[in-house]
Amino acid sequence: DARVTQTPRHKVTEMGQEVTMRCQPILGHNTVFWYRQTMMQGLELLAYFRNRAPLDDSGMPKDRFSAEMPDATLATLKIQPSEPRDSAVYFCASGFEEGFELFFGEGSRLTVL
Amino acid sequence: GESVGLHLPTLSVQEGDNSIINCAYSNSASDYFIWYKQESGKGPQFIIDIRSNMDKRQGQRVTVLLNKTVKHLSLQIAATQPGDSAVYFCARGGGSYIPTFGRGTSLIVHP
Repeated sequence: DARVTQTPRHKVTEMGQEVTMRCQPILGHNTVFWYRQTMMQGLELLAYFRNRAPLDDSGMPKDRFSAEMPDATLATLKIQPSEPRDSAVYFCASGFEEGFELFFGEGSRLTVL
Repeated sequence: GESVGLHLPTLSVQEGDNSIINCAYSNSASDYFIWYKQESGKGPQFIIDIRSNMDKRQGQRVTVLLNKTVKHLSLQIAATQPGDSAVYFCARGGGSYIPTFGRGTSLIVHP
C-alpha cells in the first residue's frame, strides 16, 4: 500500500532551535508539495517540486525556511531558527502531475515553545 | 486573481440527514475540481473529482455538482454518518494549477 511517509510525527522544540522535517514521497510521483496547516490560516502551500527541482517557494519565509529534495525518495523542510509562530502541522504531499490528485502524508506536528 | 473558497467554516447535521458543502471559484480557465476529506489527526484524502465537461458526478454516497454558469460547486453526502465528520476541502486542479485549500468546511455529524 503506497503512501507518503513523514517524520517526525510530533516535534516539540524551543525557540531558536533548528527543525528538520522529512518526507518520503510515493515512488514514481514526480511532484512534491509542502503545506502548513493552522487553525487561523488553514492549509497553506509553502513549496513545491517537480522532478526534484524547486518550482515555487513563494509561500515560505525565506529567511528561516528552506526546502530541498536531495534525491527522488526524500524531501526535507528545514526551519532555522524556529519561532513559536511556526507551530503548526506540516504536510507533505506527492502526485504524478501538478493540478491532479495529491496523496498526503500524516503530517508532522511542530510545537515551538 | 483566482480563488477557490468554501462558503461556511462549520456545518452541523444530524446522523442520517443529507449534507451539502458548497464551494465557489472565480476563474473559469480550467474547470476541474477535487474534493478532499481530512479526518482528525490525518492528512487530506481524495474523495472525488469533477471535470469541466460534467455537471454531476456520483460516487458512493457522495455527489458533486458543478455549475459553471455561476462558478459554484457542491459536495452532497447522502445519509450522513458519524464517520463523515471531518474537514472538507475543494481544490482547483488541472493543467499547471497548484492545488490551494484554504480553511475548509468542518462537518460535524450529531448522533
